[in-house]
Amino acid sequence: SAVISQKPSRDICQRGTSLTIQCQVDSQVTMMFWYRQQPGQSLTLIATANQGSEATYESGFVIDKFPISRPNLTFSTLTVSNMSPEDSSIYLCSVGVGANTDTQYFGPGTRLTVL
Amino acid sequence: GESVGLHLPTLSVQEGDNSIINCAYSNSASDYFIWYKQESGKGPQFIIDIRSNMDKRQGQRVTVLLNKTVKHLSLQIAATQPGDSAVYFCAEKSGGSYIPTFGRGTSLIVHP
Repeated sequence: SAVISQKPSRDICQRGTSLTIQCQVDSQVTMMFWYRQQPGQSLTLIATANQGSEATYESGFVIDKFPISRPNLTFSTLTVSNMSPEDSSIYLCSVGVGANTDTQYFGPGTRLTVL
Repeated sequence: GESVGLHLPTLSVQEGDNSIINCAYSNSASDYFIWYKQESGKGPQFIIDIRSNMDKRQGQRVTVLLNKTVKHLSLQIAATQPGDSAVYFCAEKSGGSYIPTFGRGTSLIVHP
């Protein structure tokens, strides 16, 4: 397994502003992911954070709105840009571990409220 | 498209009873399955996993059953405790994909 921390744990932001969420892992991992979880819903993958190259975004998510950095194998950031109330959600970082990076372990999440 | 879904969105049980949470999947190519527990205000926590070459796997107070014939997965929790109250998600992956598909989630409520 892996121990994952996220900062901030929660924030309340004004529309039009941006928030950067940090994810730190206690060991080097190849695969890191960012998910969004809207209230009462399941998890939706935003993108795969690739070390040394641009993130791979899922359908419906674009780099201009959710820029991602992955400077090394233990750290990643997700920025939610030009926020609107529809961006209010929990944002989760996860890592893939195991022989085939099959199993994903999640951070505690960042609860974002946009006013 | 392929999807993973849950039969029961909410399950209420009495403390000490056994709980069974069900999950149906439609991707016949899925070969790896995971159950997660998510408590309020926390991220999903890995509980147990199973590969398609098995039909049963046991952990501490939990058992996962896989029926590939009908594409059905279940999580059994023995002697359910109030601390088991949470939302439970199943997830499935097919070979060659490193991204799981998550089900809708079932809320388990344990009454003392």
